[in-house]
Amino acid sequence: GENVEQHPSTLSVQEGDSAVIKCTYSDSASNYFPWYKQELGKGPQLIIDIRSNVGEKKDQRIAVTLNKTAKHFSLHITETQPEDSAVYFCAASKSSGGSNYKLTFGKGTLLTVNP
Amino acid sequence: GAGVSQSPSNKVTEKGKDVELRCDPISGHTALYWYRQRLGQGLEFLIYFQGNSAPDKSGLPSDRFSAERTGESVSTLTIQRTQQEDSAVYLCASRGRAYGYTFGSGTRLTVV
Repeated sequence: GENVEQHPSTLSVQEGDSAVIKCTYSDSASNYFPWYKQELGKGPQLIIDIRSNVGEKKDQRIAVTLNKTAKHFSLHITETQPEDSAVYFCAASKSSGGSNYKLTFGKGTLLTVNP
Repeated sequence: GAGVSQSPSNKVTEKGKDVELRCDPISGHTALYWYRQRLGQGLEFLIYFQGNSAPDKSGLPSDRFSAERTGESVSTLTIQRTQQEDSAVYLCASRGRAYGYTFGSGTRLTVV
């Protein structure tokens, strides 16, 4: 089955700096890669996603890049703010072979943005 | 409703007791997923329902775990004879035609 590795497990940055979180996946058939943000006591919330026919996607201060050849994808947050502090999860899935968008998640990155 | 609703939000139970967790998906969402999140860990897939198709139970860790869903409505996750290692947050998510999941806030289960 799919295996998703996520690094780093913790990341501390100064307000205004950029943060980058990286993930690798094992199943070359995976074609959908979302990122979720989880605040304390809440469920994960989708913040951005990318499909395998696209190399990069941006939404204001966040962007995701995908390298299908290397089987890795990254989340980039620019101009970080204290409210960006949370646990971020990457995930991968494929929509063929009966998997029906069943997501496999990385172990998460605790991002702390220091004022 | 506007979001995925899970109940109870917290549950403390004695070892050996059965527990039932409930998930109300977003109306019209055909797909429903249960995940388990142990402290400081990622999300572990448990079970997936899609409409009236047979559920994907490949993530259930033992036969003490079971789940039901009638049509596209409420789902219940049942854990029988709870063990301390079952302590975790149990998250439910639903999905419509779009790719992304919408998660509920979870049920925090503590087995003492």
